[in-house]
Amino acid sequence: GAVVSQHPSWVICKSGTSVKIECRSLDFQATTMFWYRQFPKQSLMLMATSNEGSKATYEQGVEKDKFLINHASLTLSTLTVTSAHPEDSSFYICSARELQFQPQHFGDGTRLSIL
Amino acid sequence: AQTVTQSQPEMSVQEAETVTLSCTYDTSESDYYLFWYKQPPSRQMILVIRQEAYKQQNATENRFSVNFQKAAKSFSLKISDSQLGDAAMYFCAYPNFGNEKLTFGTGTRLTIIP
Repeated sequence: GAVVSQHPSWVICKSGTSVKIECRSLDFQATTMFWYRQFPKQSLMLMATSNEGSKATYEQGVEKDKFLINHASLTLSTLTVTSAHPEDSSFYICSARELQFQPQHFGDGTRLSIL
Repeated sequence: AQTVTQSQPEMSVQEAETVTLSCTYDTSESDYYLFWYKQPPSRQMILVIRQEAYKQQNATENRFSVNFQKAAKSFSLKISDSQLGDAAMYFCAYPNFGNEKLTFGTGTRLTIIP
Protein backbone atom coordinates (compact mmCIF):
# COMPACT_ATOMS: atom_id res chain seq x y z
CA GLY A 1 0.00 0.00 0.00
CA ALA A 2 0.81 3.73 0.01
CA VAL A 3 2.11 3.95 -3.54
CA VAL A 4 2.90 7.31 -5.10
CA SER A 5 3.45 7.50 -8.84
CA GLN A 6 5.38 10.36 -10.40
CA HIS A 7 5.55 11.03 -14.10
CA PRO A 8 7.62 11.57 -16.15
CA SER A 9 10.74 10.06 -14.64
CA TRP A 10 13.07 11.95 -16.96
CA VAL A 11 12.49 14.88 -19.25
CA ILE A 12 14.83 16.83 -21.48
CA CYS A 13 13.60 20.00 -23.10
CA LYS A 14 14.73 23.25 -24.59
CA SER A 15 15.13 26.43 -22.63
CA GLY A 16 11.95 28.49 -22.53
CA THR A 17 9.50 25.62 -22.59
CA SER A 18 7.17 24.65 -19.77
CA VAL A 19 7.23 21.23 -18.19
CA LYS A 20 4.49 19.55 -16.19
CA ILE A 21 5.21 16.86 -13.62
CA GLU A 22 2.41 14.73 -12.21
CA CYS A 23 2.21 13.15 -8.79
CA ARG A 24 -0.50 10.59 -8.09
CA SER A 25 -1.39 8.64 -5.00
CA LEU A 26 -2.52 5.28 -6.35
CA ASP A 27 -4.09 3.53 -3.39
CA PHE A 28 -4.94 6.28 -0.93
CA GLN A 29 -6.37 9.77 -0.85
CA ALA A 30 -3.70 12.36 -0.26
CA THR A 31 -4.98 15.35 1.62
CA THR A 32 -1.55 16.90 1.46
CA MET A 33 1.20 16.63 -1.10
CA PHE A 34 4.68 18.06 -0.97
CA TRP A 35 7.12 19.01 -3.69
CA TYR A 36 10.87 18.81 -3.17
CA ARG A 37 13.94 19.66 -5.17
CA GLN A 38 17.20 17.81 -4.77
CA PHE A 39 20.56 18.93 -6.13
CA PRO A 40 23.31 16.37 -6.69
CA LYS A 41 24.71 14.91 -3.50
CA GLN A 42 22.47 17.11 -1.37
CA SER A 43 19.44 16.61 0.78
CA LEU A 44 15.87 17.32 -0.21
CA MET A 45 14.71 20.89 -0.14
CA LEU A 46 11.01 21.50 0.32
CA MET A 47 9.58 23.77 -2.35
CA ALA A 48 5.90 23.85 -1.49
CA THR A 49 3.05 22.17 0.32
CA SER A 50 -0.24 21.66 -1.42
CA ASN A 51 -3.58 20.77 0.07
CA GLU A 52 -6.42 19.53 -2.07
CA GLY A 53 -8.66 22.32 -3.23
CA SER A 54 -6.56 25.18 -1.94
CA LYS A 55 -3.58 27.21 -3.02
CA ALA A 56 -0.13 25.82 -2.42
CA THR A 57 2.07 27.22 0.30
CA TYR A 58 5.52 28.02 -1.03
CA GLU A 59 8.75 28.02 0.92
CA GLN A 60 10.75 31.20 1.17
CA GLY A 61 12.77 31.84 -1.95
CA VAL A 62 10.66 29.63 -4.23
CA GLU A 63 9.05 31.57 -7.06
CA LYS A 64 5.38 30.73 -7.18
CA ASP A 65 5.00 32.09 -10.70
CA LYS A 66 7.85 29.90 -11.86
CA PHE A 67 6.72 26.72 -10.15
CA LEU A 68 2.97 26.38 -10.51
CA ILE A 69 1.36 23.79 -8.30
CA ASN A 70 -2.15 22.46 -8.68
CA HIS A 71 -3.79 19.96 -6.35
CA ALA A 72 -7.16 19.52 -8.00
CA SER A 73 -8.09 16.16 -6.52
CA LEU A 74 -7.23 13.94 -3.59
CA THR A 75 -5.06 11.77 -5.80
CA LEU A 76 -3.32 14.19 -8.13
CA SER A 77 -0.98 17.14 -7.79
CA THR A 78 0.96 18.73 -10.61
CA LEU A 79 4.06 20.88 -10.69
CA THR A 80 4.58 23.01 -13.78
CA VAL A 81 7.97 24.59 -14.32
CA THR A 82 7.19 27.56 -16.51
CA SER A 83 9.64 28.97 -19.03
CA ALA A 84 12.29 26.59 -17.81
CA HIS A 85 15.95 27.54 -17.98
CA PRO A 86 19.14 25.52 -17.44
CA GLU A 87 19.32 26.59 -13.79
CA ASP A 88 15.99 24.82 -13.25
CA SER A 89 17.63 21.51 -14.11
CA SER A 90 17.36 19.32 -11.05
CA PHE A 91 15.71 16.28 -9.52
CA TYR A 92 12.15 16.95 -8.39
CA ILE A 93 10.37 14.61 -5.97
CA CYS A 94 6.82 14.66 -4.73
CA SER A 95 5.42 13.06 -1.63
CA ALA A 96 1.95 12.48 -0.30
CA ARG A 97 0.34 11.59 2.96
CA GLU A 98 -3.14 10.39 3.74
CA LEU A 99 -3.76 11.52 7.28
CA GLN A 100 -2.19 13.98 9.62
CA PHE A 101 0.95 12.70 11.31
CA GLN A 102 1.25 9.78 8.92
CA PRO A 103 4.57 9.31 7.09
CA GLN A 104 5.05 10.89 3.73
CA HIS A 105 5.32 8.47 0.83
CA PHE A 106 7.47 9.52 -2.05
CA GLY A 107 7.26 9.24 -5.80
CA ASP A 108 10.23 8.02 -7.81
CA GLY A 109 11.24 11.53 -8.77
CA THR A 110 11.67 13.38 -12.05
CA ARG A 111 15.01 14.26 -13.51
CA LEU A 112 14.61 17.53 -15.38
CA SER A 113 17.29 18.62 -17.82
CA ILE A 114 16.95 21.96 -19.60
CA LEU A 115 19.19 22.47 -22.58
CA ALA B 1 13.33 26.29 14.08
CA GLN B 2 13.87 22.59 13.97
CA THR B 3 17.24 21.34 12.81
CA VAL B 4 18.41 17.83 12.00
CA THR B 5 22.09 16.93 12.03
CA GLN B 6 23.76 13.88 10.57
CA SER B 7 27.43 14.08 11.42
CA GLN B 8 28.57 11.14 9.31
CA PRO B 9 28.61 12.02 5.61
CA GLU B 10 29.88 8.54 4.73
CA MET B 11 29.95 5.16 6.42
CA SER B 12 30.98 1.73 5.28
CA VAL B 13 30.35 -1.70 6.72
CA GLN B 14 31.25 -5.25 5.85
CA GLU B 15 28.42 -7.37 4.55
CA ALA B 16 26.61 -9.21 7.37
CA GLU B 17 27.99 -6.83 9.98
CA THR B 18 26.15 -4.19 11.98
CA VAL B 19 26.36 -0.45 11.45
CA THR B 20 24.88 2.51 13.30
CA LEU B 21 24.05 5.83 11.67
CA SER B 22 23.71 8.82 13.95
CA CYS B 23 21.20 11.66 13.93
CA THR B 24 20.57 14.49 16.35
CA TYR B 25 17.83 17.05 16.21
CA ASP B 26 16.68 20.16 17.93
CA THR B 27 13.08 20.90 18.84
CA SER B 28 11.06 22.56 21.54
CA GLU B 29 8.10 20.26 21.03
CA SER B 30 7.33 17.38 23.36
CA ASP B 31 5.26 15.21 21.04
CA TYR B 32 6.62 14.47 17.61
CA TYR B 33 7.69 11.82 15.17
CA LEU B 34 11.02 10.96 13.66
CA PHE B 35 11.73 9.08 10.46
CA TRP B 36 14.60 7.44 8.68
CA TYR B 37 14.37 7.38 4.90
CA LYS B 38 16.61 5.50 2.50
CA GLN B 39 17.51 6.73 -0.98
CA PRO B 40 19.20 4.07 -3.13
CA PRO B 41 20.88 4.90 -6.45
CA SER B 42 17.45 4.79 -8.09
CA ARG B 43 16.78 7.94 -6.02
CA GLN B 44 13.42 6.80 -4.73
CA MET B 45 12.85 7.81 -1.11
CA ILE B 46 11.86 4.78 0.94
CA LEU B 47 10.59 4.95 4.49
CA VAL B 48 12.75 2.72 6.66
CA ILE B 49 11.42 3.26 10.16
CA ARG B 50 9.36 5.62 12.25
CA GLN B 51 9.48 6.52 15.94
CA GLU B 52 6.87 8.31 18.01
CA ALA B 53 8.44 10.45 20.69
CA TYR B 54 5.86 9.53 23.32
CA LYS B 55 6.80 5.87 23.05
CA GLN B 56 9.69 4.80 25.23
CA GLN B 57 10.18 1.59 23.29
CA ASN B 58 12.57 1.84 20.37
CA ALA B 59 11.04 1.08 16.99
CA THR B 60 12.14 -2.03 15.12
CA GLU B 61 11.52 -3.17 11.56
CA ASN B 62 13.20 -6.48 10.79
CA ARG B 63 16.94 -5.73 10.57
CA PHE B 64 16.45 -2.03 11.24
CA SER B 65 16.11 -0.59 14.71
CA VAL B 66 16.53 2.78 16.34
CA ASN B 67 18.11 4.00 19.52
CA PHE B 68 15.91 6.92 20.52
CA GLN B 69 17.22 9.08 23.33
CA LYS B 70 14.63 11.82 23.81
CA ALA B 71 16.49 13.79 26.46
CA ALA B 72 19.63 13.82 24.35
CA LYS B 73 17.60 14.45 21.17
CA SER B 74 19.36 11.59 19.48
CA PHE B 75 17.84 9.18 16.98
CA SER B 76 20.32 6.66 15.60
CA LEU B 77 19.59 3.89 13.12
CA LYS B 78 21.10 0.44 13.55
CA ILE B 79 21.25 -1.91 10.60
CA SER B 80 21.98 -5.51 11.51
CA ASP B 81 23.21 -8.21 9.14
CA SER B 82 23.99 -5.62 6.48
CA GLN B 83 23.16 -6.61 2.94
CA LEU B 84 24.35 -5.29 -0.39
CA GLY B 85 20.89 -3.87 -1.01
CA ASP B 86 21.26 -1.63 2.02
CA ALA B 87 23.74 0.55 0.15
CA ALA B 88 22.10 3.97 -0.12
CA MET B 89 21.89 7.46 1.23
CA TYR B 90 20.10 7.51 4.57
CA PHE B 91 18.25 10.61 5.71
CA CYS B 92 16.96 11.32 9.15
CA ALA B 93 13.81 13.47 9.06
CA TYR B 94 11.73 15.44 11.51
CA PRO B 95 8.19 16.63 10.68
CA ASN B 96 7.12 19.98 12.03
CA PHE B 97 4.22 19.24 14.36
CA GLY B 98 1.98 21.94 13.02
CA ASN B 99 2.28 21.69 9.26
CA GLU B 100 4.25 18.46 9.05
CA LYS B 101 6.88 19.84 6.74
CA LEU B 102 9.80 17.46 6.85
CA THR B 103 13.21 18.74 7.83
CA PHE B 104 15.86 16.41 6.51
CA GLY B 105 19.39 15.88 7.69
CA THR B 106 22.21 16.15 5.20
CA GLY B 107 22.35 12.40 4.78
CA THR B 108 24.81 9.57 5.32
CA ARG B 109 26.05 7.57 2.36
CA LEU B 110 26.31 3.93 3.38
CA THR B 111 28.57 1.57 1.46
CA ILE B 112 28.38 -2.18 1.93
CA ILE B 113 31.66 -4.01 1.44
CA PRO B 114 31.20 -7.53 0.04
